[in-house]
Amino acid sequence: GESVGLHLPTLSVQEGDNSIINCAYSNSASDYFIWYKQESGKGPQFIIDIRSNMDKRQGQRVTVLLNKTVKHLSLQIAATQPGDSAVYFCAEITGNNNAGNMLTFGGGTRLMVKP
Amino acid sequence: NAGVMQNPRHLVRRRGQEARLRCSPMKGHSHVYWYRQLPEEGLKFMVYLQKENIIDESGMPKERFSAEFPKEGPSILRIQQVVRGDSAAYFCASSPWGFGEQFFGPGTRLTVL
Repeated sequence: GESVGLHLPTLSVQEGDNSIINCAYSNSASDYFIWYKQESGKGPQFIIDIRSNMDKRQGQRVTVLLNKTVKHLSLQIAATQPGDSAVYFCAEITGNNNAGNMLTFGGGTRLMVKP
Repeated sequence: NAGVMQNPRHLVRRRGQEARLRCSPMKGHSHVYWYRQLPEEGLKFMVYLQKENIIDESGMPKERFSAEFPKEGPSILRIQQVVRGDSAAYFCASSPWGFGEQFFGPGTRLTVL
């Protein structure tokens, strides 16, 4: 299940189960969102993105859902594997057209996959 | 095609010294972003540069921090007179255009003693 502790919230799932990681974003004007995976000691790695004119996008084993009404993103990982264990961040584009696209990151969720 | 390169990977400095962090973007990418990450937290935007220009430095402290992306060579994030609070992981990202996906480097972990 999902829990919130002193540090990153952690989601523990059994290998083979589906995982759902949630994210609330802050800026209703944001029009582009990315999910990143970060393994210990490494930089964020792109997983999947979605634009605000879509509410769902699918990749290989991953699906991102966007609900603009409540400013909520979710990342679904099918058949979770031990290699999926990492911290997952959602990020939104908040820059204006003149300043380019700085990413604003959410707080992150640690996914732990039990064999 | 090499990814974003950062060096050094680990940097230890004493209080008051200077730290220089280097970032070589992916080939063909002219947009560079620097982010800072504290343990157990998300990345925080610092500065966005395009070749020879600072486009947005709204996330960078006004004092002691500076960034450049010269016509030739890597982007440099410079921290003068470091303090313990500067200890963090610093990530560089690049993109081929000023919107969309950003590709991240492995980061430089700065420790200030």
